[in-house]
Amino acid sequence: AQRVTQPEKLLSVFKGAPVELKCNYSYSGSPELFWYVQYSRQRLQLLLRHISRESIKGFTADLNKGETSFHLKKPFAQEEDSAMYYCALRETGFGNEKLTFGTGTRLTIIP
Amino acid sequence: KAGVTQTPRYLIKTRGQQVTLSCSPISGHRSVSWYQQTPGQGLQFLFEYFSETQRNKGNFPGRFSGRQFSNSRSEMNVSTLELGDSALYLCASSTTSGGTNEQFFGPGTRLTVL
Repeated sequence: AQRVTQPEKLLSVFKGAPVELKCNYSYSGSPELFWYVQYSRQRLQLLLRHISRESIKGFTADLNKGETSFHLKKPFAQEEDSAMYYCALRETGFGNEKLTFGTGTRLTIIP
Repeated sequence: KAGVTQTPRYLIKTRGQQVTLSCSPISGHRSVSWYQQTPGQGLQFLFEYFSETQRNKGNFPGRFSGRQFSNSRSEMNVSTLELGDSALYLCASSTTSGGTNEQFFGPGTRLTVL
């Protein structure tokens, strides 16, 4: 079965310190991966996707097929980064195309 | 552009009842996906509708059903409610089906089953 694993439910990091949110996946096909974020009292929204290879709000994520990982990183954490982060895998297949989400990591930035 | 709207925002039902939730997508979006969010299971995909047709389906029992209208608005119905159906139900709209493009989420409907 396809699965997305975010091993940390909670992560606390000091402001200015590096951040790494872990995401591992298992998928037999060619993976498409995303990071979604939910800030306090806001809606779930797309942060970035691996095919774009872009940096959003200082965050980057590299797809490592050998390690089946898609960790989210930021070199210097800011207080506004505190949020819930979800890693998602797009599964493909007839009648079964969908996003499978991990259970999420709550990131708290300590001032 | 108005965002995805969901009604009602909160709902309390008792076991055995049925419930209908509504989702209005962003104008021009033809795909609507539904998710169930619970503390234990996280976000789980229910189904997706695109141009009034169910395109994809998750692993939920037949008590969970949906439909989409010609204006792309979608409804989700849960029959014979169980305590375990208590959850936040999110819908998301997109321009394409299958999660290819960004999904825009609504605020959710919080369903409590007593």
